[in-house]
Amino acid sequence: AQTVTQSQPEMSVQEAETVTLSCTYDTSESDYYLFWYKQPPSRQMILVIRQEAYKQQNATENRFSVNFQKAAKSFSLKISDSQLGDAAMYFCAYRSSILSSGTYKYIFGTGTRLKVLA
Amino acid sequence: KAGVTQTPRYLIKTRGQQVTLSCSPISGHRSVSWYQQTPGQGLQFLFEYFSETQRNKGNFPGRFSGRQFSNSRSEMNVSTLELGDSALYLCASSLDPADTQYFGPGTRLTVL
Repeated sequence: AQTVTQSQPEMSVQEAETVTLSCTYDTSESDYYLFWYKQPPSRQMILVIRQEAYKQQNATENRFSVNFQKAAKSFSLKISDSQLGDAAMYFCAYRSSILSSGTYKYIFGTGTRLKVLA
Repeated sequence: KAGVTQTPRYLIKTRGQQVTLSCSPISGHRSVSWYQQTPGQGLQFLFEYFSETQRNKGNFPGRFSGRQFSNSRSEMNVSTLELGDSALYLCASSLDPADTQYFGPGTRLTVL
């Protein structure tokens, strides 16, 4: 069974600095997707970035980038030039290969709470 | 384009009652998934609907059920509420099961 582990329950970063959130996963599949979602205190989950496992190139979205290490099953999120609005709970998620039902399985990590210090 | 909407946003019920939560997906999205979020368990998958059919189900008791209508709106129902059902219930929609999921704001259910 697939698992997603976020070993950092809480992280802090100074405004304008860079922070990296860790995520590791376990799977025997070769075709899958990985996601980072952000959940601010208002609770609306927002997609930050997604990575297709078959793509070597790390995904980037403005100040957010990932370090995808497929062999090590690691998928970390780097936030550059941190802003106060980045404060939120960040969830790493795994989407499986297609199931026999024609759909997919999503597994979420337990989250990392990011605090941004002014 | 409007995002995923969930109603009601907050709900207080007592043990033994039943509750129905509603989710309206993004226009054009036909897949809807439901999750239960609690501080201790994180996000736990409940079920997924696509084209009015339940395609996938998580490990929750039969008290949890759902359905999807022809306009892709979805409802989930929890019968015989227990204290442990207190949680944030999130709905996510996607164009189809293969597409990225977009989440609604959630319904906060408190069971007293």
